[in-house]
Amino acid sequence: DAGVTQSPTHLIKTRGQQVTLRCSPKSGHDTVSWYQQALGQGPQFIFQYYEEEERQRGNFPDRFSGHQFPNYSSELNVNALLLGDSALYLCASSLLEDRGTGKMEQYFGPGTRLTVT
Amino acid sequence: AQTVTQSQPEMSVQEAETVTLSCTYDTSESDYYLFWYKQPPSRQMILVIRQEAYKQQNATENRFSVNFQKAAKSFSLKISDSQLGDAAMYFCACGSGDKLTFGTGTRLAVRP
Repeated sequence: DAGVTQSPTHLIKTRGQQVTLRCSPKSGHDTVSWYQQALGQGPQFIFQYYEEEERQRGNFPDRFSGHQFPNYSSELNVNALLLGDSALYLCASSLLEDRGTGKMEQYFGPGTRLTVT
Repeated sequence: AQTVTQSQPEMSVQEAETVTLSCTYDTSESDYYLFWYKQPPSRQMILVIRQEAYKQQNATENRFSVNFQKAAKSFSLKISDSQLGDAAMYFCACGSGDKLTFGTGTRLAVRP
């Protein structure tokens, strides 16, 4: 059973550039959430996708956008990169129908380390 | 809105001993869940234990157990018989509707 996968593992970009990160959810999951984890901090929720639409969004600017494909995989796009965007970006997947069953659980991928210079 | 506070940036425990990591939270949601995640140097967030807020009974998973005090909004993690492999960052999180709010983490060192 494949877990959550993310690509690439590491990425170095220059300020002002754009970046796309990718995530494949755990087999059978239909919901993908993205988190940003700055060095020494806990992850912060960026947004969540279900049925190819953004369901929830955290306190992040519009430079952060996403997409979910029919196969449930997802992309996170960040435009006009700032030095402060340097972080570990985590993807987590879950099954929406589990929300009401007490099974709420998100499975995390290994993350993509983004460095902006 | 939810907030999670972990007041212990670092903790240390002797192998085979017991350690307790503290967490307090605040939420306006009536239906929420609480979690402890472990993040080793490999960066993979691993779920350690989960507690449904509507359940009074404290969750237990092998050597890991929680002390959930709903009125005090406290959710501590107890690790018994600590092992070298338990060394990692531990994050407390509060979840509602799939969105998780994390604390700043506690780095646990295990002394052989």
